[in-house]
Amino acid sequence: KNEVEQSPQNLTAQEGEFITINCSYSVGISALHWLQQHPGGGIVSLFMLSSGKKKHGRLIATINIQEKHSSLHITASHPRDSAVYICAVRSRAYGGSQGNLIFGKGTKLSVKP
Amino acid sequence: DTAVSQTPKYLVTQMGNDKSIKCEQNLGHDTMYWYKQDSKKFLKIMFSYNNKELIINETVPNRFSPKSPDKAHLNLHINSLELGDSAVYFCASSPLYGADTQYFGPGTRLTVL
Repeated sequence: KNEVEQSPQNLTAQEGEFITINCSYSVGISALHWLQQHPGGGIVSLFMLSSGKKKHGRLIATINIQEKHSSLHITASHPRDSAVYICAVRSRAYGGSQGNLIFGKGTKLSVKP
Repeated sequence: DTAVSQTPKYLVTQMGNDKSIKCEQNLGHDTMYWYKQDSKKFLKIMFSYNNKELIINETVPNRFSPKSPDKAHLNLHINSLELGDSAVYFCASSPLYGADTQYFGPGTRLTVL
């Protein structure tokens, strides 16, 4: 069992649909990151959050610390949103004075026009 | 200007060789990282480094060593390359260790024959 679980593994949506990607983890964390990996391989950091909710454009990330769960939402999805979305958590359980990052396996999103 | 750059972009080499991958960031960040992404696209932290602390993931073989000539550079040296070292290696940086968004380089695809 992975320490960071994402669901679904693969997601196909029609343009304009509302999308939700989920991330669950098993240890106490100091922060959770959402990353986007483009088809060409480049990685972009979308959000870092430790509580509540953050919004950037059409992207919204939420976290529930008590339930050890986070969601990434995409409103009005577009084909250019097609990418792999990766959840990562930072915890001292994984070493380091501030804790290392442990990654989920990613959710591959494909948005059809 | 590229914020985090890596060279080379592609590296093909024979088993047993020693190779290096260079990483430079022009963001003035204090902390740099090396990640490995395997053939299943799973990201894993290898090293975290700032001018005070080197955090090594204990699962990383000691054939891998980070070397930092200055705050803007963190190079990855790999000795006695093995087939299983084939992967994409990402460098990243963040303003502070442990609490900040990370900025990723474009990746170096290493193929060991």
